[in-house]
Order: sequence, then structure tokens, then C-alpha cells
Amino acid sequence: GEDVEQSLFLSVREGDSSVINCTYTDSSSTYLYWYKQEPGAGLQLLTYIFSNMDMKQDQRLTVLLNKKDKHLSLRIADTQTGDSAIYFCAVGKTGNQFYFGTGTSLTVIP
Amino acid sequence: NAGVMQNPRHLVRRRGQEARLRCSPMKGHSHVYWYRQLPEEGLKFMVYLQKENIIDESGMPKERFSAEFPKEGPSILRIQQVVRGDSAAYFCASSPPVGGEITNYGYTFGSGTRLTVV
Repeated sequence: GEDVEQSLFLSVREGDSSVINCTYTDSSSTYLYWYKQEPGAGLQLLTYIFSNMDMKQDQRLTVLLNKKDKHLSLRIADTQTGDSAIYFCAVGKTGNQFYFGTGTSLTVIP
Repeated sequence: NAGVMQNPRHLVRRRGQEARLRCSPMKGHSHVYWYRQLPEEGLKFMVYLQKENIIDESGMPKERFSAEFPKEGPSILRIQQVVRGDSAAYFCASSPPVGGEITNYGYTFGSGTRLTVV
């Protein structure tokens, strides 16, 4: 398998930027995803990046990939209270098997 | 186009009973994955199945747990003789077949079954 690590908690003030970090161990990981889980719900795919990319921007979301350090980050600009959730990173070598981090619980303070 | 359907949403079992969790993948998806989320913990992989085949069960406890994905019907995660420690949210995800090309599908998750053992 692969080890995927995230910090457990992050608190930010409304309007600030949030940065959620993820590290992984397998340098041949090709597919890297960010999922969002709201309380009592399943996981919703937020965004993704492939290993041949360094950055991807999608409205308020920016994903950065540092392949050398095996580090993935998700930046949420202008964080809102509705962004409060658990964020999971997931990585995999094939399109079928992914390994998830422990999730980062983001709390947005009004 | 229904997403991944899991039922029941909530399941209460007494210690020693059996729990059966069902998952119908998205239309066109032939790969099913089961994950367990314990309170205050992350998402732990349990098993990966294709129709009539278990591809990877490295995350399944050796005893009491089994999974199947028959040719017809939903995937079933079965827990025999449940204990309090089995209380968790169980998520199913599905994905389409990957034909050697990169896909951005990732997984599509169901809403989960929350099992409570009393």
C-alpha cells in the first residue's frame, strides 16, 4: 500500500485562505484527488491533478503538486463557513485503486 | 442517472447479530470499493471488487467480514457476529473500468451506511 498523511485539524477565519497539506510515499503516484465530506454525508470529489501537472486552479481552489517532495496541497481562497468540512486527499498509481489520508477537519470561524 | 446507492442509511444491530450492507454502483461502473470510517479517524480501505471477483481484500479483517459483488445485484458487505467496535460509517465507492488511459473519474461515493452496535 501507500501511506498518505494529513494533519487532522485546521481553523481559519472567514475570508482568509485555507491551505490543507498532504504527503504521500509512492513517487509513482499518478492520480491525486481532493474530496470533501460534509457532516453525515459521503465524500464528494472536489478537484484532481495528475502527476504531469504542477498546479491546477479551479475558481477558489488551487492544487499544488511537488513531486520531488511528494507533497500535495489544496488552497481555498476566501474561505466561507460553508467550506467547513473534512477534506481528504487520495492518491493512486492506477485509475482504480486509491489510498486516502486521514482527512483534515477544516473549521471556519465567522 | 442515479449515483452510488447504499442501503440502509442507518443500521442498528445487537452484539452477535449479522449486518448486511448493500451497495449499487453507478450505472456503467464495474468496480466497487468498501471503506470504513471510524469516529475521529480517517477512511480505511477494506476491499476492492469487480463483478464476481475480489481484487484486493488487504484491508478486510480476517474474521467475521466478507464481501461479494455478484454478477447480478448489488455488492454486499457482510459482518457476522457484530461487536461494538464494528460501529462505524461504511462507505461504498464505484468507478468505471480503466482502459489503459488516464481518467479523471476518481471514485464516486455513496452516502454511507452508519452501523451502530448496541
